[in-house]
Order: sequence, then C-alpha cells, then structure tokens
Amino acid sequence: RKEVEQDPGPFNVPEGATVAFNCTYSNSASQSFFWYRQDCRKEPKLLMSVYSSGNEDGRFTAQLNRASQYISLLIRDSKLSDSATYLCVVNDGNYQLIWGAGTKLIIKP
Amino acid sequence: GAVVSQHPSRVICKSGTSVKIECRSLDFQATTMFWYRQFPKQSLMLMATSNEGSKATYEQGVEKDKFLINHASLTLSTLTVTSAHPEDSSFYICSARDPLAYNEQFFGPGTRLTVL
Repeated sequence: RKEVEQDPGPFNVPEGATVAFNCTYSNSASQSFFWYRQDCRKEPKLLMSVYSSGNEDGRFTAQLNRASQYISLLIRDSKLSDSATYLCVVNDGNYQLIWGAGTKLIIKP
Repeated sequence: GAVVSQHPSRVICKSGTSVKIECRSLDFQATTMFWYRQFPKQSLMLMATSNEGSKATYEQGVEKDKFLINHASLTLSTLTVTSAHPEDSSFYICSARDPLAYNEQFFGPGTRLTVL
C-alpha cells in the first residue's frame, strides 16, 4: 500500500461546479498535511495547509479526518483557472514529506 | 507508481563543509530531474533542472557554483551544497520525470539540511 494515495483522475468538471477529492495516508503518526497545486511543467505551489479543525480559504476548503486517515479538498464555484494537478503531501514526523502522485483536475467551460 | 528516493533524509553539518544529496529513480529512467528547495512555511522553489549528460539549467538567483548538480546516469542526480552556511538550511526535494508515463513528475521524500 502506498503511503499517500490519491485518485489520479482526471476529474472533468464543468465550470461553476463543486468538486472534491480525497487523499489517504497510511502512517497514523503523520503530523502535518498540505495540499499543493501544480500547473503543467511548473513546480508545485503550496495551496493550503490542513489543520485538525479544517480550514477554508475562499473557494477552497480542506479537512482532516485522523480517525480514517484522510484529508480532503473541496473547491466551490470552480473556475477554468483551477485546472491543475493537486498534490497531497504528508509530513510523516521524521522530517520527510511524503507526496501523493496527484489528482488531475480539468475544468471545462 | 514510479518511486524516487533521496539520500540522506536528514543531514546536520558544520558551516563551511560540503554536503551531497542523491536523488534516484528506482524503477524508471529519468532523462530529466528537478531540484527544489523549501524554506519553512514557504512553497517549493525550483532551483534547477538536471538533464542527463548535460549541464543543469539553474533558475534565476541560484548560484551554480554553490549548488553543484551532476546527472551522470538516467537514474541518479546529485546535488552538492558547497561551503554550506546556516542560511542554506532548508528542505531539498528532487523530482524525476518519467518519459514513459506521459512525462509525469514523481517527487522524492526530501532531505532536511541543517547547517550549524
């Protein structure tokens, strides 16, 4: 089993719709979690950290479920510019970041 | 999926010493590898693109004489931080592109460098 798993997609979503995807992690000792966004041929950029209480930044909401060991990302009112690959990243507590392979999101007009 | 490893995962060194970090693609051949750096609470920043058999391409502001990159084989790229200083303390991550997987990038687990 991979340490961090994501559905690779692609998720094809019409503009304006709400889309959500999850990421599961295997190490229960993991301490911190992040969502990164990567545009084609560019480096990943931090989208948001994921806190235990959940957090929201504009149209984006991230949540953590420690009991089931997954984090989620919800995008509301999706825009064409949201098309990208979303990477789930988990800090395993040993100074290592474990990267998911990413979920590809395509927003269609 | 493809696996990329990095070694060491964590290194602590004295100021002025050089540190070598290895990045390996374990089950695929990567003609292109990337080196990133991440400072606390910041996003990844691309340092350089490493192409097998040729010189690396460095991003603006990255000193090529300080961060030596060698991509001698299709499965190994190394980053050497020369004469390290405390401000070089950071998280260094490599990624490798798999040409047989639609050029998808696979990231290594990172190396935490602390320079005392």
